[in-house]
Parts: sequence; structure tokens; C-alpha cells
Amino acid sequence: GAVVSQHPSRVICKSGTSVKIECRSLDFQATTMFWYRQFPKQSLMLMATSNEGSKATYEQGVEKDKFLINHASLTLSTLTVTSAHPEDSSFYICSARTQGVRELFFGEGSRLTVL
Amino acid sequence: AQSVTQPDIHITVSEGASLELRCNYSYGATPYLFWYVQSPGQGLQLLLKYFSGDTLVQGIKGFEAEFKRSQSSFNLRKPSVHWSDAAEYFCAVGALTSGTYKYIFGTGTRLKVLA
Repeated sequence: GAVVSQHPSRVICKSGTSVKIECRSLDFQATTMFWYRQFPKQSLMLMATSNEGSKATYEQGVEKDKFLINHASLTLSTLTVTSAHPEDSSFYICSARTQGVRELFFGEGSRLTVL
Repeated sequence: AQSVTQPDIHITVSEGASLELRCNYSYGATPYLFWYVQSPGQGLQLLLKYFSGDTLVQGIKGFEAEFKRSQSSFNLRKPSVHWSDAAEYFCAVGALTSGTYKYIFGTGTRLKVLA
């Protein structure tokens, strides 16, 4: 099956700093990527949808200026958590699909801890 | 907007017993339907999917699910549970919303297996 790789898998940062998480599709062209956030023992909450070359579409309640999403190529999307605070600590998961394929492929997730 | 409901937050079964995890969705048409499994601290693994056709779908690890349009349900079943099936299970719906496919997850059901 198609492979989606996320990096880093774990990151610890100080409050006020920015953190970038990468999501790569290794063997297919990801025309659409999705970013999810998962709190402990909770479900995945869709944060935003990004189509390659376009601005991301954010879900209601998600701060665009805090969670910057870039999808500049068909194999890479990045999520930057700007000026991170402890409440941003969470498990972030990306997923990707290619045009014409209805299935989503998930990355392994990135655990962010903000001190 | 589409939504997904998993009524059971926790389910405990004995090893060897049968299992059924419930999933109901709300959407105007037939969405894409998925079941994923997540082990602690890990990403999501696809168990099975339904797009169209035969309403009983077979997945990996001996799981199956049945789509019932009249009940807007997509329940996951396994005839005999193994201890290694203990994990979190998520039902997901993919549907066209404002011109973009979005994938929404249910709240999850945590499965505990007794030896």
C-alpha cells in the first residue's frame, strides 16, 4: 500500500518557539492532505485540508495563524505550530490521498510536547 | 455536515468471544466508510473500507463490516476475538463537502480483551 511518512515522530520544545512537522507521501502523489489533532484517549479532530498548490482550508475553531499549513508539492505538506504553548501539546497525524483514489493513507503521527 | 457516532466508548470481551462495534453516520448520500485500528501511541491502520457494491465487506485480521443503508450504520464484527485485538477502533466517514472530500472520525471505541 501507499506509504506516508511523518517527521519528527516526537518533538519537545519550549513555550514560545515554533515547531515544524513534515508529512511526505513516499510512493504516490498526494493531491490532498489532511491534518488531524488527537488529544489523549480521544478521537481525531480534523484541523485542515490542503490541496497541492492551494491554501489550506481550516476547520471551524482552528487558528490559521497558529497552525500554518503548506502543501507546496505533491509529496510534501508541512504543519508549523507557531509560538507553541503547553495547550498545543498533542498528537498530530497527517493523511493523504491522491486524485481518483478514495482511500486515505496515514502517517505514523507526531507527538508534540510543549514545556 | 456529516457526522459519525460510535455509541460505545469502552467494550470488554473475553478472548474467543464474538465482537460487534457500532457505528452510525449522518450524511445525505452514501459516504465512503472506513474502520481503523490504533494501538497506543501509534498511527492508524486500515481494517476495511466500503465504497459501493456488496454491503458485507471483509477486512484484515478476520474483521468484517456490514453497511446498512436503512440504519445508516456500518458495524464492525469479528467472530472470535484475540488478545492482540485490544486497541482503539475508529469508524470514519468520507464525504463530499463544499467540493472537497472530508474524512471525519467517530469518537472511538476502546476494546479490552480478557484472557
